[in-house]
Amino acid sequence: DQQVKQNSPSLSVQEGRISILNCDYTNSMFDYFLWYKKYPAEGPTFLISISSIKDKNEDGRFTVFLNKSAKHLSLHIVPSQPGDSAVYFCAAGGYQKVTFGTGTKLQVIP
Amino acid sequence: DAEITQSPRHKITETGRQVTLACHQTWNHNNMFWYRQDLGHGLRLIHYSYGVQDTNKGEVSDGYSVSRSNTEDLPLTLESAASSQTSVYFCASSPGVGTDTQYFGPGTRLTVL
Repeated sequence: DQQVKQNSPSLSVQEGRISILNCDYTNSMFDYFLWYKKYPAEGPTFLISISSIKDKNEDGRFTVFLNKSAKHLSLHIVPSQPGDSAVYFCAAGGYQKVTFGTGTKLQVIP
Repeated sequence: DAEITQSPRHKITETGRQVTLACHQTWNHNNMFWYRQDLGHGLRLIHYSYGVQDTNKGEVSDGYSVSRSNTEDLPLTLESAASSQTSVYFCASSPGVGTDTQYFGPGTRLTVL
């Protein structure tokens, strides 16, 4: 049973526009959420996180929104850049262990 | 600089052979994790450890084992490699405090023929 779901396997966005990546989860016990970015032939790298007590966290061009009632989080990238092209994994955590989604491949078109 | 390394980066083996993938971190992190990445499944947890002598099974642990004899290393052993274990394997570590971020190694691509 997939507890963290990323229903869009891929997304294409024009450079300069907004990229919105979505993630849904089923376990209400998750108390923090993270986004990781992965380039080919490299390990995932941490991008941004949010605690369950917040509904928004911002870091430069990246903003994560959390809607606990809907069990939904999203990552906004504004403006999108070609270097943002990568696979993005959503993850949900509790007690030092996280569960990852299946990933969304973002392509930013110059 | 502190880091996490994996070796080998690529490995081809035959069905039935025992294979060990190495993971070494220099952050002195308590927690270490092994994941496999497969298309359509994302990152799935194989085994994890919260400290020396501690090991725990993840969601896809069948056919794999780990041991933690020191803080820095968590080797992953495939007891008898199967074609279904062809995958990319990632090791990760985290400090083990609060809502801590995991730091990943570069991955090992394993092919079982």
